[in-house]
Amino acid sequence: ETGVTQSPTHLIKTRGQQVTLRCSSQSGHNTVSWYQQALGQGPQFIFQYYREEENGRGNFPPRFSGLQFPNYSSELNVNALELDDSALYLCASSLATVDTDTQYFGPGTRLTVL
Amino acid sequence: AQTVTQSQPEMSVQEAETVTLSCTYDTSENNYYLFWYKQPPSRQMILVIRQEAYKQQNATENRFSVNFQKAAKSFSLKISDSQLGDTAMYFCASHPNYGGSQGNLIFGKGTKLSVKP
Repeated sequence: ETGVTQSPTHLIKTRGQQVTLRCSSQSGHNTVSWYQQALGQGPQFIFQYYREEENGRGNFPPRFSGLQFPNYSSELNVNALELDDSALYLCASSLATVDTDTQYFGPGTRLTVL
Repeated sequence: AQTVTQSQPEMSVQEAETVTLSCTYDTSENNYYLFWYKQPPSRQMILVIRQEAYKQQNATENRFSVNFQKAAKSFSLKISDSQLGDTAMYFCASHPNYGGSQGNLIFGKGTKLSVKP
């Protein structure tokens, strides 16, 4: 069974640029959630995708957008980067059924905005 | 809105001893799940244990167990026989159970646990 993978591991961008982060779900999972973890904080929910549709969104501006593909992999896009966007971005996948609830995380992408 | 509070920013324990990490939460949901995740310096968020709120019995996973007090909205994690590999940030998290539609996780700020030889 393949776990959740994310790419790239690290990324450095300058303010105003755009970035795309990628996530491959664990085999058999149909739901992907993205979280932002600032240094020394707990992760904050950005949004969730279920069967290629957005299925909930946290308190993040529209310049944070996403996609989920038919193979359930996902992208997180951030436009007009700001210094405060520097963080660890975590992707989590899960299988949405009546009885399951557990999200499994990837290793994260460390984004630095200069 | 749900909130999760971890009041211990840092804790330390001697190897082979027992330590308890505290967590309180607030929710208006009737059905929800609670989790403890571990994040070592490698950054990977690893599931330690989960608890379904409608179950009275406290969850256990090997050396890890929880004390779930639903009325008090308390969800503490006990680590027995602490090992050096338990050194990590520990996050308490919750999310509502919408019966097939995934809810998002709400995390506390974490407790940094150091296990000393």
